[in-house]
Amino acid sequence: AQSVTQLDSHVSVSEGTPVLLRCNYSSSYSPSLFWYVQHPNKGLQLLLKYTSAATLVKGINGFEAEFKKSETSFHLTKPSAHMSDAAEYFCVVSGAGGSYIPTFGRGTSLIVHP
Amino acid sequence: DAGVTQSPTHLIKTRGQQVTLRCSPKSGHDTVSWYQQALGQGPQFIFQYYEEEERQRGNFPDRFSGHQFPNYSSELNVNALLLGDSALYLCASSSHSLIYNEQFFGPGTRLTVL
Repeated sequence: AQSVTQLDSHVSVSEGTPVLLRCNYSSSYSPSLFWYVQHPNKGLQLLLKYTSAATLVKGINGFEAEFKKSETSFHLTKPSAHMSDAAEYFCVVSGAGGSYIPTFGRGTSLIVHP
Repeated sequence: DAGVTQSPTHLIKTRGQQVTLRCSPKSGHDTVSWYQQALGQGPQFIFQYYEEEERQRGNFPDRFSGHQFPNYSSELNVNALLLGDSALYLCASSSHSLIYNEQFFGPGTRLTVL
């Protein structure tokens, strides 16, 4: 069975400072990994995805994530937070252990202070 | 392109009733997946439809059923509603021809069971 753990339920940063949202997964195979963002009253939007190509993945809105197989991690980063980044972020694993049913983490709420 | 649309936006039902939620996929997409997102949790996969058949199913009871129509739109039916079925129900569409393809999510239907 595959699983994903988002290590922080809430992350609070000041505008203009770096963002780090942490995600670990369990897998017996090389998985596909995704980060989605959910703004209040809006649908989930894909930020970026890893599908066994480059380990450093660049996404929209300045976000990027690095796949580290040895650490089974896929942390999301951004050099400088904007107020508009405040939202719920979900790490998703698919294909791990042979299952293509996507498994979502519980989410990390990003709070950005002015 | 209207993207993924869902109806209704909100719904209130009482225990034991039945409910039908509707989803229209993004133009060009032929696969529809349904998710349940409880408050404060990540979305949980219910099932996926392609070519009018259920192709994959998550860990949900038979009270949850679905249908896909020839125009690729889909319905989610839940029978014998329980209080615990209160959640945001998300529909996502994708293209079956693309492996590890991106899912586009609708805004969801908020179901409240009293």
